Amino acid sequence: DARVTQTPRHKVTEMGQEVTMRCQPILGHNTVFWYRQTMMQGLELLAYFRNRAPLDDSGMPKDRFSAEMPDATLATLKIQPSEPRDSAVYFCASGSTRDRGVNSPLHFGNGTRLTVT
Amino acid sequence: LAKTTQPISMDSYEGQEVNITCSHNNIATNDYITWYQQFPSQGPRFIIQGYKTKVTNEVASLFIPADRKSSTLSLPRVSLSDTAVYYCLVYSGAGSYQLTFGKGTKLSVIP
Repeated sequence: DARVTQTPRHKVTEMGQEVTMRCQPILGHNTVFWYRQTMMQGLELLAYFRNRAPLDDSGMPKDRFSAEMPDATLATLKIQPSEPRDSAVYFCASGSTRDRGVNSPLHFGNGTRLTVT
Repeated sequence: LAKTTQPISMDSYEGQEVNITCSHNNIATNDYITWYQQFPSQGPRFIIQGYKTKVTNEVASLFIPADRKSSTLSLPRVSLSDTAVYYCLVYSGAGSYQLTFGKGTKLSVIP
């Protein structure tokens, strides 16, 4: 069964440190999403890539967050500097868009649980 | 993006059929309805998707009336392992797509 792989699963860091989260999308998928989940806000869309190009990152705080896809097998989400309010679970998801018919369902990884102290 | 409304929580006993209804009054002609399930400490998982009438798979059924302004996810004979949060989403079927998650419905299955 193909899976979206996220690393690390857990990360504890101190305020001000840089955090990098990695995602390996399912081979052949052309879209990658980054979501953040907290108890208060639920699942929030942070960024969206199609064919490795960023299409929408309006959900990300631009001053400290950055998302990239160095190649088709790797997506990264960086926070620099990190703050306690960034504590959340960060999910990566991948899928395939189609020009006709319906897009494939999104496949989510199991997330990176980030704690910033 | 069409907004969805669903109950915040539901309780059910094991073995019962559970129906979760979602309202999406401003659904567009090209929009599809999709449901995801999320267990604690896991990412959401796709359950079922449909455009109109009825869709059934090995996990659930999805009923969509003719006006498509609502949909009902039906889970037959639930077990304790079906305790999860269920999200109803509406999105444009083809091309670029973004899934906007609401709060979902927290289903608790009671022994």
